[in-house]
Amino acid sequence: GAVVSQHPSWVICKSGTSVKIECRSLDFQATTMFWYRQFPKQSLMLMATSNEGSKATYEQGVEKDKFLINHASLTLSTLTVTSAHPEDSSFYICSARRTSGNTYEQYFGPGTRLTVT
Amino acid sequence: EDQVTQSPEALRLQEGESSSLNCSYTVSGLRGLFWYRQDPGKGPEFLFTLYSAGEEKEKERLKATLTKKESFLHITAPKPEDSATYLCARHNDYKLSFGAGTTVTVRA
Repeated sequence: GAVVSQHPSWVICKSGTSVKIECRSLDFQATTMFWYRQFPKQSLMLMATSNEGSKATYEQGVEKDKFLINHASLTLSTLTVTSAHPEDSSFYICSARRTSGNTYEQYFGPGTRLTVT
Repeated sequence: EDQVTQSPEALRLQEGESSSLNCSYTVSGLRGLFWYRQDPGKGPEFLFTLYSAGEEKEKERLKATLTKKESFLHITAPKPEDSATYLCARHNDYKLSFGAGTTVTVRA
Protein backbone atom coordinates (compact mmCIF):
# COMPACT_ATOMS: atom_id res chain seq x y z
CA GLY A 1 0.00 0.00 0.00
CA ALA A 2 0.88 3.64 -0.29
CA VAL A 3 2.67 5.56 2.44
CA VAL A 4 1.44 8.71 4.13
CA SER A 5 3.50 10.36 6.84
CA GLN A 6 2.60 12.93 9.47
CA HIS A 7 4.78 15.17 11.55
CA PRO A 8 4.92 15.57 14.47
CA SER A 9 3.53 12.34 15.88
CA TRP A 10 2.70 14.12 19.11
CA VAL A 11 2.82 17.69 20.35
CA ILE A 12 2.09 19.50 23.59
CA CYS A 13 1.40 23.21 23.43
CA LYS A 14 0.15 25.94 25.70
CA SER A 15 -3.29 27.43 25.41
CA GLY A 16 -3.37 30.33 22.97
CA THR A 17 -0.48 29.16 20.79
CA SER A 18 -0.66 27.75 17.27
CA VAL A 19 0.44 24.33 16.11
CA LYS A 20 1.19 23.14 12.57
CA ILE A 21 0.84 19.51 11.50
CA GLU A 22 2.31 18.28 8.23
CA CYS A 23 0.97 15.47 6.08
CA ARG A 24 2.97 14.02 3.19
CA SER A 25 2.21 11.38 0.60
CA LEU A 26 5.59 9.71 0.16
CA ASP A 27 5.18 7.53 -2.90
CA PHE A 28 2.33 9.04 -4.87
CA GLN A 29 0.92 12.40 -5.78
CA ALA A 30 -2.27 13.39 -4.05
CA THR A 31 -4.40 16.18 -5.45
CA THR A 32 -6.82 15.61 -2.60
CA MET A 33 -6.03 15.11 1.06
CA PHE A 34 -8.33 14.94 4.05
CA TRP A 35 -8.05 15.91 7.69
CA TYR A 36 -9.86 13.94 10.37
CA ARG A 37 -10.22 14.22 14.09
CA GLN A 38 -10.74 11.30 16.43
CA PHE A 39 -11.74 11.39 20.09
CA PRO A 40 -11.08 8.42 22.39
CA LYS A 41 -13.17 5.38 21.54
CA GLN A 42 -14.94 7.23 18.74
CA SER A 43 -14.72 6.95 15.01
CA LEU A 44 -13.11 9.36 12.59
CA MET A 45 -14.80 12.68 11.94
CA LEU A 46 -13.94 14.44 8.71
CA MET A 47 -12.91 18.04 9.32
CA ALA A 48 -12.02 19.22 5.85
CA THR A 49 -11.02 18.25 2.35
CA SER A 50 -7.80 19.77 1.08
CA ASN A 51 -7.33 20.27 -2.65
CA GLU A 52 -3.96 21.11 -4.16
CA GLY A 53 -3.82 24.68 -5.32
CA SER A 54 -7.25 25.68 -4.06
CA LYS A 55 -9.12 26.43 -0.86
CA ALA A 56 -10.06 23.65 1.49
CA THR A 57 -13.65 22.56 1.91
CA TYR A 58 -14.71 22.41 5.54
CA GLU A 59 -17.37 20.18 7.03
CA GLN A 60 -20.30 21.74 8.81
CA GLY A 61 -19.39 22.93 12.28
CA VAL A 62 -15.63 23.13 11.68
CA GLU A 63 -14.21 26.64 12.10
CA LYS A 64 -12.15 27.47 9.05
CA ASP A 65 -10.38 30.35 10.80
CA LYS A 66 -9.30 28.08 13.61
CA PHE A 67 -8.18 25.12 11.52
CA LEU A 68 -6.13 26.52 8.65
CA ILE A 69 -5.39 24.11 5.84
CA ASN A 70 -2.84 24.60 3.10
CA HIS A 71 -2.20 22.17 0.24
CA ALA A 72 0.67 23.80 -1.58
CA SER A 73 1.99 20.80 -3.47
CA LEU A 74 0.87 17.39 -4.67
CA THR A 75 2.60 15.70 -1.74
CA LEU A 76 2.11 18.08 1.18
CA SER A 77 -0.85 19.38 3.13
CA THR A 78 -0.64 21.23 6.43
CA LEU A 79 -3.15 21.78 9.21
CA THR A 80 -2.56 24.69 11.57
CA VAL A 81 -4.56 24.82 14.77
CA THR A 82 -4.64 28.51 15.68
CA SER A 83 -5.07 29.85 19.20
CA ALA A 84 -5.34 26.33 20.54
CA HIS A 85 -7.45 25.59 23.60
CA PRO A 86 -7.70 22.46 25.76
CA GLU A 87 -10.87 21.40 23.94
CA ASP A 88 -8.76 21.15 20.74
CA SER A 89 -6.79 18.31 22.31
CA SER A 90 -7.41 15.30 20.11
CA PHE A 91 -5.91 12.81 17.68
CA TYR A 92 -5.60 14.39 14.23
CA ILE A 93 -5.20 12.11 11.24
CA CYS A 94 -4.59 13.04 7.63
CA SER A 95 -5.40 10.97 4.61
CA ALA A 96 -4.45 11.10 0.94
CA ARG A 97 -6.52 9.96 -2.00
CA ARG A 98 -5.02 7.89 -4.78
CA THR A 99 -7.02 7.17 -7.89
CA SER A 100 -6.12 4.88 -10.76
CA GLY A 101 -8.67 4.48 -13.51
CA ASN A 102 -11.94 3.56 -11.82
CA THR A 103 -10.36 2.49 -8.55
CA TYR A 104 -10.23 4.76 -5.55
CA GLU A 105 -7.98 4.29 -2.56
CA GLN A 106 -7.51 6.46 0.50
CA TYR A 107 -4.49 6.01 2.74
CA PHE A 108 -4.08 7.39 6.23
CA GLY A 109 -1.13 8.81 8.09
CA PRO A 110 -0.11 7.59 11.55
CA GLY A 111 -1.84 10.46 13.31
CA THR A 112 -0.75 13.36 15.52
CA ARG A 113 -1.68 13.49 19.18
CA LEU A 114 -2.25 17.12 20.20
CA THR A 115 -2.42 18.04 23.87
CA VAL A 116 -3.19 21.65 24.76
CA THR A 117 -2.39 22.62 28.36
CA GLU B 1 -27.50 11.47 4.87
CA ASP B 2 -24.82 8.80 4.71
CA GLN B 3 -25.35 6.06 7.25
CA VAL B 4 -22.88 3.33 8.15
CA THR B 5 -23.72 0.96 10.99
CA GLN B 6 -21.30 -1.65 12.25
CA SER B 7 -22.05 -4.61 14.48
CA PRO B 8 -21.21 -5.91 16.89
CA GLU B 9 -19.55 -3.07 18.77
CA ALA B 10 -17.06 -5.47 20.32
CA LEU B 11 -16.10 -9.06 19.63
CA ARG B 12 -14.02 -11.31 21.83
CA LEU B 13 -12.69 -14.42 20.14
CA GLN B 14 -10.56 -17.35 21.10
CA GLU B 15 -7.56 -17.90 18.84
CA GLY B 16 -8.74 -19.98 15.89
CA GLU B 17 -12.42 -19.11 16.39
CA SER B 18 -13.66 -17.72 13.07
CA SER B 19 -16.29 -14.97 13.02
CA SER B 20 -17.78 -12.19 10.91
CA LEU B 21 -18.24 -8.46 11.31
CA ASN B 22 -21.18 -6.66 9.75
CA CYS B 23 -21.42 -3.27 8.06
CA SER B 24 -24.75 -2.00 6.79
CA TYR B 25 -24.85 1.19 4.75
CA THR B 26 -27.01 3.69 2.94
CA VAL B 27 -27.32 2.34 -0.56
CA SER B 28 -28.04 5.53 -2.45
CA GLY B 29 -25.02 7.02 -4.18
CA LEU B 30 -22.57 4.37 -3.04
CA ARG B 31 -19.30 4.59 -4.96
CA GLY B 32 -17.37 2.07 -2.88
CA LEU B 33 -17.25 0.33 0.48
CA PHE B 34 -13.98 0.45 2.40
CA TRP B 35 -12.56 -1.64 5.22
CA TYR B 36 -9.74 -0.44 7.46
CA ARG B 37 -7.92 -1.82 10.47
CA GLN B 38 -6.94 0.58 13.26
CA ASP B 39 -4.60 -0.21 16.14
CA PRO B 40 -4.72 1.97 19.29
CA GLY B 41 -2.96 5.29 18.84
CA LYS B 42 -2.37 4.77 15.11
CA GLY B 43 -3.98 5.79 11.85
CA PRO B 44 -6.24 3.38 9.98
CA GLU B 45 -4.58 0.83 7.74
CA PHE B 46 -6.25 0.25 4.38
CA LEU B 47 -7.54 -3.29 3.86
CA PHE B 48 -10.08 -3.48 1.02
CA THR B 49 -12.32 -1.54 -1.30
CA LEU B 50 -15.43 -3.22 -2.71
CA TYR B 51 -17.41 -1.68 -5.53
CA SER B 52 -20.28 -3.98 -6.52
CA ALA B 53 -22.56 -6.58 -4.99
CA GLY B 54 -21.07 -10.05 -5.14
CA GLU B 55 -17.51 -8.80 -5.01
CA GLU B 56 -15.11 -10.50 -2.61
CA LYS B 57 -11.53 -9.68 -1.62
CA GLU B 58 -9.10 -11.57 0.58
CA LYS B 59 -5.97 -10.77 2.50
CA GLU B 60 -4.39 -13.38 4.73
CA ARG B 61 -7.07 -14.37 7.28
CA LEU B 62 -9.47 -11.64 6.22
CA LYS B 63 -12.13 -11.78 3.54
CA ALA B 64 -14.51 -8.95 2.72
CA THR B 65 -17.77 -9.46 0.87
CA LEU B 66 -20.40 -7.05 -0.40
CA THR B 67 -24.14 -7.43 -0.91
CA LYS B 68 -26.62 -4.78 -1.98
CA LYS B 69 -27.13 -3.55 1.57
CA GLU B 70 -24.32 -4.96 3.68
CA SER B 71 -20.69 -5.85 3.79
CA PHE B 72 -19.10 -8.55 5.88
CA LEU B 73 -15.55 -8.92 7.07
CA HIS B 74 -14.84 -12.57 7.79
CA ILE B 75 -11.91 -13.43 10.04
CA THR B 76 -10.80 -17.02 9.59
CA ALA B 77 -8.83 -18.74 12.34
CA PRO B 78 -7.83 -15.44 13.96
CA LYS B 79 -4.59 -14.93 15.83
CA PRO B 80 -3.91 -12.50 18.69
CA GLU B 81 -2.24 -10.13 16.22
CA ASP B 82 -5.61 -9.70 14.50
CA SER B 83 -6.81 -7.81 17.57
CA ALA B 84 -7.73 -4.29 16.43
CA THR B 85 -10.67 -2.05 15.64
CA TYR B 86 -12.06 -2.70 12.17
CA LEU B 87 -13.66 0.28 10.48
CA CYS B 88 -16.08 0.26 7.58
CA ALA B 89 -16.64 3.35 5.44
CA ARG B 90 -18.88 4.18 2.51
CA HIS B 91 -17.66 6.39 -0.29
CA ASN B 92 -19.95 8.81 -2.02
CA ASP B 93 -18.76 11.27 -4.58
CA TYR B 94 -16.20 13.04 -2.51
CA LYS B 95 -15.69 11.64 0.98
CA LEU B 96 -15.69 8.60 3.21
CA SER B 97 -18.27 8.24 5.96
CA PHE B 98 -17.14 5.92 8.73
CA GLY B 99 -18.99 3.57 11.00
CA ALA B 100 -18.19 3.42 14.70
CA GLY B 101 -16.07 0.31 14.26
CA THR B 102 -15.92 -3.18 15.74
CA THR B 103 -13.22 -3.81 18.30
CA VAL B 104 -11.94 -7.36 17.98
CA THR B 105 -9.97 -9.00 20.77
CA VAL B 106 -8.41 -12.39 20.07
CA ARG B 107 -7.21 -14.35 23.08
CA ALA B 108 -4.44 -16.91 22.82
